[in-house]
Amino acid sequence: QVQVVESGGGVVQPGRSLRLSCEASGFTFSTSALHWVRQAPGKGLECVAMISFDGSNKKFADSVKGRFSISRDNSKNTLYLQMNSLRTEDTAMYYCANSGYPWGQGTLVTVSS
Amino acid sequence: EIVLTQSPEFQSVAPKEKVTITCRASQSIGRSLHWYQQKPDQSPKLLIKYASQSISGVPSRFSGSGSGTDFTLTINSLEAEDAATYYCHQSSSLLWTFGQGTKVEIK
Repeated sequence: QVQVVESGGGVVQPGRSLRLSCEASGFTFSTSALHWVRQAPGKGLECVAMISFDGSNKKFADSVKGRFSISRDNSKNTLYLQMNSLRTEDTAMYYCANSGYPWGQGTLVTVSS
Repeated sequence: EIVLTQSPEFQSVAPKEKVTITCRASQSIGRSLHWYQQKPDQSPKLLIKYASQSISGVPSRFSGSGSGTDFTLTINSLEAEDAATYYCHQSSSLLWTFGQGTKVEIK
């Protein structure tokens, strides 16, 4: 059974940093490309970052390029999203996702002064 | 970037009626198209993967079809619990994209 648990969200001031984590089980983590997807309140879904199975290839949405980084620890089945220089428009629920598998409940990031 | 266009954006349907939602991709994506259902204050729930593959635990009234650029989600015999927003999503490109969503309301 696939389980995905995101954590690390919270309320943070603009310009500050936050690190999200995602622990997953129930699929072969070390051979899976993984993604971070966010959903702003009342809005649709946006994929902000992806990382290849071995971490050698990473892609970012233009909206977060240069501010967010993605990494993974295959020994811990954990995915990370380092978010720097946060803006109010980064306020959203953040989900980690694997193609064709269920998602977790997400972790809420609120950027506000 | 692969753009996914869903239609309609809103649909009001009576119980037991059939619902059809379409998703058109701006370029061919093979069968790398998935459908999600999202209810208020819940995370998206996977309904159909790779265009037509069913998901364990999802009612059989949900089905998907299509390939290339044109895809369809069908809900046969709509039930009250199906009121939700439905999203298509492509995993053909490294950075996924999503349709804008279709809100289904029960009449």
